[in-house]
Amino acid sequence: LAKTTQPISMDSYEGQEVNITCSHNNIATNDYITWYQQFPSQGPRFIIQGYKTKVTNEVASLFIPADRKSSTLSLPRVSLSDTAVYYCLVGGNGQNFVFGPGTRLSVLP
Amino acid sequence: ETGVTQTPRHLVMGMTNKKSLKCEQHLGHNAMYWYKQSAKKPLELMFVYNFKEQTENNSVPSRFSPECPNSSHLFLHLHTLQPEDSALYLCASSQAEGQGTKNEQYFGPGTRLTVT
Repeated sequence: LAKTTQPISMDSYEGQEVNITCSHNNIATNDYITWYQQFPSQGPRFIIQGYKTKVTNEVASLFIPADRKSSTLSLPRVSLSDTAVYYCLVGGNGQNFVFGPGTRLSVLP
Repeated sequence: ETGVTQTPRHLVMGMTNKKSLKCEQHLGHNAMYWYKQSAKKPLELMFVYNFKEQTENNSVPSRFSPECPNSSHLFLHLHTLQPEDSALYLCASSQAEGQGTKNEQYFGPGTRLTVT
């Protein structure tokens, strides 16, 4: 069961780039790395997923080093609406899929 | 709108009541999940269904009983609940392609359950 470790909380200001790093030392060969965003009283929302190197979409970028023991979610130019909890997960299809406490990001004006 | 709907959105029930939560996904997925999220706690995976078969039961008390009649519908039957069962119950779905492959889950809005 791959376990992840993330900072409990982070603060940022509007317009800054935010990088949230997740450690997953026991990631399995077939595991993907997935990040979700959750606002209060809502279900998590898929942000980005990757296996190795770098993945970019319209919302974020995901950087994964060659050893895959960590990953970094990068949010460019955050706004107040990016204030949320961000979860890093490794695994697939729910059988070995555990949500940790996540990182509570607060974006300040 | 994620393509996953849940009803009801809010539910208040007494400890002796029997109620059911419903989840429906319109995404053509073949895996569905129930999660519980208590106040200021991480999501807890309760049940997983792949191709309508239950593949995961994370030591959930028997007062929670899941049912998956087809790949689009998932129910959570509740009976004789305790006040500590008050939480946000979330349903999710994904396209299962075998162990260890991509996992992109789509979550519903949740049912806010209060047990009195």
